Amino acid sequence: QVQLVQSGAEVKKPGASVTVSCRTSGFAFTHYFMHWVRQAPGQGLEWMGWINPLTGATNYAQKFQGRVTLTRDTSISTDYMELSSLKSDDTAVYYCARDELGFDPLDLWGQGILVTVSS
Amino acid sequence: QSLLTQPPSVSAAPGQTVTISCSGSSSNIGNNYVSWYQQLPETAPKLLIYETNKRPSGIPDRFSGSRSGTSATLVITGLQTGDEADYYCGTWDSSLSLLFGGGTKLTVL
Repeated sequence: QVQLVQSGAEVKKPGASVTVSCRTSGFAFTHYFMHWVRQAPGQGLEWMGWINPLTGATNYAQKFQGRVTLTRDTSISTDYMELSSLKSDDTAVYYCARDELGFDPLDLWGQGILVTVSS
Repeated sequence: QSLLTQPPSVSAAPGQTVTISCSGSSSNIGNNYVSWYQQLPETAPKLLIYETNKRPSGIPDRFSGSRSGTSATLVITGLQTGDEADYYCGTWDSSLSLLFGGGTKLTVL
């Protein structure tokens, strides 16, 4: 089955880091870029960046430069998003989503996971 | 504040037609394909339209997209109650960032 399955919800304190995983199945892992998009409660979609699973090259949104790190493990077809120096306004649902060439539409999304930042 | 502007909400009765606009600039919509995403309540977004006017497999032809200059439009005909959702436009910017509109909440009266 073609799908993206994300890890479970997280609760973190301000200043901490969080790592979210996105396990892929049903398609060739190295053929699709993986994007990360977040959605704060009651807000719209915000793109964070993508990773080329073949080369590991990344493209980050300027807003998250220096705070986000995207990595992948091709041996288990899984992508990771680490966000550091967490603040309360990082509380959001984080989605992974794939695209074929890096600048294509996002045609498959993970279920999303809630990251809550609270003291 | 998003670089792509959408109306916060639209509404129409079942069976009617609704349009959702997405206004950008020459650095994004004016020179790139536009996608539209549908987000039903409490679910992940789903690709609805890609390359401005194409539908993925399984998307009914009641949904259509177009572009004129630096604006794009999503049209939904024959509205159904199941179409109640948030709709987002998306496109790439010359800064190599993916932009989303602020989203439009569709209410089927």
